[in-house]
Amino acid sequence: NAGVTQTPKFQVLKTGQSMTLQCAQDMNHNSMYWYRQDPGMGLRLIYYSASEGTTDKGEVPNGYNVSRLNKREFSLRLESAAPSQTSVYFCASTLPPGLRSTGELFFGEGSRLTVL
Amino acid sequence: KNQVEQSPQSLIILEGKNCTLQCNYTVSPFSNLRWYKQDTGRGPVSLTIMTFSENTKSNGRYTATLDADTKQSSLHITASQLSDSASYICVVSARENTDKLIFGTGTRLQVFP
Repeated sequence: NAGVTQTPKFQVLKTGQSMTLQCAQDMNHNSMYWYRQDPGMGLRLIYYSASEGTTDKGEVPNGYNVSRLNKREFSLRLESAAPSQTSVYFCASTLPPGLRSTGELFFGEGSRLTVL
Repeated sequence: KNQVEQSPQSLIILEGKNCTLQCNYTVSPFSNLRWYKQDTGRGPVSLTIMTFSENTKSNGRYTATLDADTKQSSLHITASQLSDSASYICVVSARENTDKLIFGTGTRLQVFP
């Protein structure tokens, strides 16, 4: 199993350009998440999808949009990139806590985005 | 305000030595506390998850403790190895759903030979 796969791993954009970060998981997880990680700060939730067909805003959603394409895939789109969006982005997935799950989050390897 | 604070920010130890990382939180209502290991340039990987009723949990050379009364947790690493060099992140869940996770800023551990 590949777990959680993110693409691209690195990207440089100019201010105003758009791009989409792709995420796919092969663990049959219901919930998927997008976080950003900045120096000196804890990971912050951008958007999440509790199940296929639903998405909700997290702590820092401004400037981003998401699509839960199917159970496996959850993409993050920057419509008009700004330097403040320079960050490392992580996708994660989980099953809700229950008999078959501790609610453990599985993370991708990250996508490093630089906006000039 | 829900917060998770970790100390120290960074730590240097020699291979084979033990160390303890601290985590204090003010998250309420509390559901569970997690420790993650993040190697440089990689995604975080789960080490332990503890609910309020668990006061200790081990994963190999990693042992986490939790005192829900004082809202403190520690991660003890025994007989450190070079591969333990990483950031260790404490994460507290404010409720059972993982959309309410509060992340600490991490402790950067460096193990030297």
